[in-house]
Amino acid sequence: GAVVSQHPSRVICKSGTSVKIECRSLDFQATTMFWYRQFPKKSLMLMATSNEGSKATYEQGVEKDKFLINHASLTLSTLTVTSAHPEDSSFYICSGKFAYEQYFGPGTRLTVT
Amino acid sequence: AQSVAQPEDQVNVAEGNPLTVKCTYSVSGNPYLFWYVQYPNRGLQFLLKYITGDNLVKGSYGFEAEFNKSQTSFHLKKPSALVSDSALYFCAGVTGGGNKLTFGTGTQLKVEL
Repeated sequence: GAVVSQHPSRVICKSGTSVKIECRSLDFQATTMFWYRQFPKKSLMLMATSNEGSKATYEQGVEKDKFLINHASLTLSTLTVTSAHPEDSSFYICSGKFAYEQYFGPGTRLTVT
Repeated sequence: AQSVAQPEDQVNVAEGNPLTVKCTYSVSGNPYLFWYVQYPNRGLQFLLKYITGDNLVKGSYGFEAEFNKSQTSFHLKKPSALVSDSALYFCAGVTGGGNKLTFGTGTQLKVEL
């Protein structure tokens, strides 16, 4: 089956610093990748849709200057949380689209202190 | 507008008993419907999908779901629950050919001895 990896799985950073999360499709090419945010015991909130070689499309209410998304290749998308604050602490999940299905990464737990 | 509803926040069932996790949808056009399971601090694992064809879909770990067009439902079922089935379950849908998955709010399944 299609596999998506995320790195790191956990990260703790200080308030005001930036952190980058990588999402890789390991055995398929994902022209479209998605970034989600999940709060404890809550559903997934789509943050942005990332298309290879073009700018990401952000959902309403998501600050594009704070959550920088780059999709430089068909197997890699990155999410950079800039100037992180404690309220950015969350579980971030990416997915890669192949045909009509999305394959999800294992998630990254971000804690901002 | 597309929406997926999971009316139950939590479902409790005794091990060995059948389980049902409910999902209804409101998706324009032909819906593609999915069930995912999430264990603590993990990404989403695919269980099963309905695209077209037989209304009864069989998936991973003994789960199945029935697509009911007249009731706009896609309930997840398993004949005999296991304690290890305890997890958070998400129903999701997309219009055929569409890009964005719409998720339900999730149902916490608790299987007790």
